[in-house]
Amino acid sequence: GENVEQHPSTLSVQEGDSAVIKCTYSDSASNYFPWYKQELGKGPQLIIDIRSNVGEKKDQRIAVTLNKTAKHFSLHITETQPEDSAVYFCAASKNTGNQFYFGTGTSLTVIP
Amino acid sequence: GAVVSQHPSWVICKSGTSVKIECRSLDFQATTMFWYRQFPKQSLMLMATSNEGSKATYEQGVEKDKFLINHASLTLSTLTVTSAHPEDSSFYICSARDFVRNQPQHFGDGTRLSIL
Repeated sequence: GENVEQHPSTLSVQEGDSAVIKCTYSDSASNYFPWYKQELGKGPQLIIDIRSNVGEKKDQRIAVTLNKTAKHFSLHITETQPEDSAVYFCAASKNTGNQFYFGTGTSLTVIP
Repeated sequence: GAVVSQHPSWVICKSGTSVKIECRSLDFQATTMFWYRQFPKQSLMLMATSNEGSKATYEQGVEKDKFLINHASLTLSTLTVTSAHPEDSSFYICSARDFVRNQPQHFGDGTRLSIL
């Protein structure tokens, strides 16, 4: 089966700085990679996703890059704000509707 | 956008009680819903895949008779924790996907279950 690893487990950055979270996956058949943000006591919220036919996708301050050859993908948050503080999960799946394999999560703290 | 509603958000009950958690897709039809369990500061662990009109598919190690799943309509799936014990205390989260609009999975806000 698929194995998704995520690093770092915790990350602290100063407000305004950038944050990068990295994930690797094992199954070359995986072709869909979403990122979720989870705030305390809430369910995960989709913030950005990327499919295997694209190398990079950007949405305002958030971007995701994918390297299919190396089987890794990363989340980049620029100009971080305190409200970006949360736990972020990466995931991999074969198509959007199939089972997601989640990373272990990164607790991001943005220090004002 | 797609909205998934989960109810209740928080439940406390005595050991031995059965607890039902509902997951509804509010503005789309979901032929498939997923149920996850999350322990504090850990990732989401898939428990089962719920398919409308058929039996759920359980992940290895998840007791079917303990965690009953019913997906009787295109907008509702339920998870019943039968004869709950303190070790069943956890955060349970469902997700659903709008296949018609080819949207990715959207998650409910979870149910915090505490068994005394």
